[in-house]
Amino acid sequence: GESVGLHLPTLSVQEGDNSIINCAYSNSASDYFIWYKQESGKGPQFIIDIRSNMDKRQGQRVTVLLNKTVKHLSLQIAATQPGDSAVYFCAESPYGNNRLAFGKGNQVVVIP
Amino acid sequence: DADVTQTPRNRITKTGKRIMLECSQTKGHDRMYWYRQDPGLGLRLIYYSFDVKDINKGEISDGYSVSRQAQAKFSLSLESAIPNQTALYFCATSGGPSYNEQFFGPGTRLTVL
Repeated sequence: GESVGLHLPTLSVQEGDNSIINCAYSNSASDYFIWYKQESGKGPQFIIDIRSNMDKRQGQRVTVLLNKTVKHLSLQIAATQPGDSAVYFCAESPYGNNRLAFGKGNQVVVIP
Repeated sequence: DADVTQTPRNRITKTGKRIMLECSQTKGHDRMYWYRQDPGLGLRLIYYSFDVKDINKGEISDGYSVSRQAQAKFSLSLESAIPNQTALYFCATSGGPSYNEQFFGPGTRLTVL
């Protein structure tokens, strides 16, 4: 079947380098943001989240940065590995009731 | 996530047929969602339910219906399938302390001929 990564912006990264994936969100009232990773043939999996009262949050090898002034969210992956190859989605919560609005996704391809 | 299961995983059907996609969860979450995913379009919300007696339309509910049979079960029906409903369908759940985080099932690939 057709890959969900087809037609998406693609970031090609050398193994071991850092990756930065960017996302512009639409609603200034959004108070919660989340990054998901989707590998081929699987459902999206949670990576990291951040609330609007923070501008940075770190996880294991991942960091999310939030710039509310320009409505921009980024995901940084340190020391990118082949297993990081996937489609990455950002999502925002503009409705205040657990509904999430997803971005279109970014494909990351790690070159060994 | 093995806590959220979807059946069937793949289905091919013909235009006009009625199709039901099933979702079950063992996470004890009260909130469940159905999304469709098309190449280059991300995930779009079809319907969501915050408890057994609560059903809400999402962005693209036309042509779909849902049933929340129990807290753990949420099914999606296509009353009369059409080719542009060919897509990947995902069920998700949320609840508990991290109520904003949604946990996704493995997906159902539906093809309507």
